[in-house]
Amino acid sequence: DAKTTQPNSMESNEEEPVHLPCNHSTISGTDYIHWYRQLPSQGPEYVIHGLTSNVNNRMASLAIAEDRKSSTLILHRATLRDAAVYYCILRDGGNTPLVFGKGTRLSVIA
Amino acid sequence: DAMVIQNPRYQVTQFGKPVTLSCSQTLNHNVMYWYQQKSSQAPKLLFHYYDKDFNNEADTPDNFQSRRPNTSFCFLDIRSPGLGDAAMYLCATSRDQLAEGGQFFGPGTRLTVL
Repeated sequence: DAKTTQPNSMESNEEEPVHLPCNHSTISGTDYIHWYRQLPSQGPEYVIHGLTSNVNNRMASLAIAEDRKSSTLILHRATLRDAAVYYCILRDGGNTPLVFGKGTRLSVIA
Repeated sequence: DAMVIQNPRYQVTQFGKPVTLSCSQTLNHNVMYWYQQKSSQAPKLLFHYYDKDFNNEADTPDNFQSRRPNTSFCFLDIRSPGLGDAAMYLCATSRDQLAEGGQFFGPGTRLTVL
């Protein structure tokens, strides 16, 4: 499986934007970039995914570098409910379940 | 609302006593997954079913088995739980196996082994 590298932890102030980085220098042409998050005492939940172009949805934005070797999950206004572990995961275009790395633990300060 | 349901949310068993964890889904998804998540660690895939086809991860211990009697239900059987099997067990589903599709997770069952 292609590997991802994320910071262990990040901190943000409430109401401010958060940029969560992910490096994936060995990404292949068919790998999709997925982001999931896991709130305390809950199962992971889907946030966003993309292949080459930047993506936006109601939860977040995903900015993908032109060479696809890195990406950034953007939370436009962090709230206390966004405190969670955020996982950046590469999935091949074929038959592959999610394989989780260590993720980034995001703390949000009021 | 369509969802992934896990029962019970908390399960206590004794060392060596078989235990079964349950998962059901109302999403009519073809694929169901079981993950193990130990404290402060990332979820680790144990196995998954694509329809009735069972796919075991290479490093999943033989102590862990699974059954999927129909589309809606999937069970995780731990034949002889050890202290090291105490963890959160997460069930997930997806419509198919393609990367475009997201995985939907249940709330998990926290297993305690005494």
